[in-house]
Amino acid sequence: DVKVTQSSRYLVKRTGEKVFLECVQDMDHENMFWYRQDPGLGLRLIYFSYDVKMKEKGDIPEGYSVSREKKERFSLILESASTNQTSMYLCASSSLTESYNEQFFGPGTRLTVL
Amino acid sequence: GNSVTQMEGPVTLSEEAFLTINCTYTATGYPSLFWYVQYPGEGLQLLLKATKADDKGSNKGFEATYRKETTSFHLEKGSVQVSDSAVYFCALSESGANNLFFGTGTRLTVIP
Repeated sequence: DVKVTQSSRYLVKRTGEKVFLECVQDMDHENMFWYRQDPGLGLRLIYFSYDVKMKEKGDIPEGYSVSREKKERFSLILESASTNQTSMYLCASSSLTESYNEQFFGPGTRLTVL
Repeated sequence: GNSVTQMEGPVTLSEEAFLTINCTYTATGYPSLFWYVQYPGEGLQLLLKATKADDKGSNKGFEATYRKETTSFHLEKGSVQVSDSAVYFCALSESGANNLFFGTGTRLTVIP
């Protein structure tokens, strides 16, 4: 059974803290993605990576960075958390060899910044 | 550019009612189209897909037909159940692209 796991389901941090969200997939997928999900806005792409050490900005990269040191792991970093980064964060992965680009999602991390 | 517009929610239906959630898209090429479902407390999972015009995707009693002439991919189910209560997302992917473009999601609540 394919699996994408995220390090925490719920996280509470303070303004200004550095926050790491971890995502691991066991499907040997090349592509990995970070989204944030907010009511009325759907899913917005923050960053994605199509290979180890490669990254591309999505629609809303400001205030975030990412790291992909190993194929199976993709980390999202909030350098200095702010209250407007309170959101649900979803990680996904997909295979480059699939023609129709199905993405597999983790369960999400609900982050609250106080 | 690419975009997906889907029906605003929330939608509340009685069990066994007919469901339609509208989705229209704008794309520069020939996209693949998807419906994802998010059950409470979970991530998204693929419900169905269609990769070319006139294809019909189906799964768990849900169907959607890729209509190029109306740029639409409406989700339908003939008889909803309480267990179908979830948020439904329409999405598209351009051929050769890595990422998906999502609609804003439609929350469905089915009451007994």
